[in-house]
Amino acid sequence: DAGVTQSPTHLIKTRGQQVTLRCSPKSGHDTVSWYQQALGQGPQFIFQYYEEEERQRGNFPDRFSGHQFPNYSSELNVNALLLGDSALYLCASSLRGQDEQYFGPGTRLTVT
Amino acid sequence: QQPVQSPQAVILREGEDAVINCSSSKALYSVHWYRQKHGEAPVFLMILLKGGEQKGHEKISASFNEKKQQSSLYLTASQLSYSGTYFCGTEINLIKAAGNKLTFGGGTRVLVKP
Repeated sequence: DAGVTQSPTHLIKTRGQQVTLRCSPKSGHDTVSWYQQALGQGPQFIFQYYEEEERQRGNFPDRFSGHQFPNYSSELNVNALLLGDSALYLCASSLRGQDEQYFGPGTRLTVT
Repeated sequence: QQPVQSPQAVILREGEDAVINCSSSKALYSVHWYRQKHGEAPVFLMILLKGGEQKGHEKISASFNEKKQQSSLYLTASQLSYSGTYFCGTEINLIKAAGNKLTFGGGTRVLVKP
């Protein structure tokens, strides 16, 4: 049973650039949530996708956008990158109506 | 507003016990506990739901005091593998159909020594 997968593992970008991160949910899951985790802190909720629509959003600017595909996989896009966007980006999947969320290994984004 | 975890860090000898607390100022629907080792993803440990239901690993023990909006995670007879950072994530259930949106605490760093 495949768990949550994310790509790429690491990424280095320059300020002002754009980045796309990808997530495939755990088999059988239909809901994907994205979190940003700065070094030494807990994850912060960015947004959640279900049925290809953004259902909930955290306190993040519009530079952060996403998409969910019919196969439930998801992308996180960040435009106009800032140094402060450097973090571990985690994807968590769940099944609608169930409470458990399972995290992927994350993508480490470094903005220089 | 994020939940408050205490202590911020704890050092144990193998076999010792510890308690990690998570407190919220808001009424909660659920509390989720995760353990994260350095450079790895958070690993699901347990969920405690309003009303008393619990879901998680058999070897993990936790409690949820709905009156105080506080949860505690009990590390009993600690093993070296228990080392890591423990996070609690809280969910305020205004509309359950909207799905899970977790607000995480700052974490408790646990080090278990031989």
